[in-house]
Amino acid sequence: KNQVEQSPQSLIILEGKNCTLQCNYTVSPFSNLRWYKQDTGRGPVSLTIMTFSENTKSNGRYTATLDADTKQSSLHITASQLSDSASYICVVNLQTGANNLFFGTGTRLTVIP
Amino acid sequence: DGGITQSPKYLFRKEGQNVTLSCEQNLNHDAMYWYRQDPGQGLRLIYYSQIVNDFQKGDIAEGYSVSREKKESFPLTVTSAQKNPTAFYLCASRPTGAVAGSQHFGDGTRLSIL
Repeated sequence: KNQVEQSPQSLIILEGKNCTLQCNYTVSPFSNLRWYKQDTGRGPVSLTIMTFSENTKSNGRYTATLDADTKQSSLHITASQLSDSASYICVVNLQTGANNLFFGTGTRLTVIP
Repeated sequence: DGGITQSPKYLFRKEGQNVTLSCEQNLNHDAMYWYRQDPGQGLRLIYYSQIVNDFQKGDIAEGYSVSREKKESFPLTVTSAQKNPTAFYLCASRPTGAVAGSQHFGDGTRLSIL
């Protein structure tokens, strides 16, 4: 069964600290994996996309890693800011099919001053 | 600016009433999607359309209907047959020929029951 699991479900950190969010998937055949940031009451916005051959990709203070062998990805946030408070969603894409996206349930991150 | 516009931001439905959620995009994208988001659950696909005048059911289409008469527009109707419609509804579009999964999302409509 194709599934995407994220952990932790929620996380609270102090401003300025780093954190890492996890995404494990069983989706196959894998095409790519994308991390989205979703602010409360808004739509998701893409942060990074990684294909099978990519191990690391950065977008400012966000760094995503992918281990296609173990089917794990992580999103590392450096020097967190209050504006990082949001839900972070991992989405895995199958190689084939029009309805081929699998969404994780997200990690709710709260950054406190 | 190009983007996806969903309206209204908030919507209330009475018992037995049909309501329609609007989704408009000016990105010239061929494919459009409707998702439902509930607390603690991942996004679930309701309907999608890859081209004008054609659409397919997603995983949870029961109680919903759509139309795609124009490339720019993909309205979603929540019918009275949908017994648990309270949720956050997201519309998305995907550029032609883009890497699979490159969806752009609107800012959602929150639907509640009166």
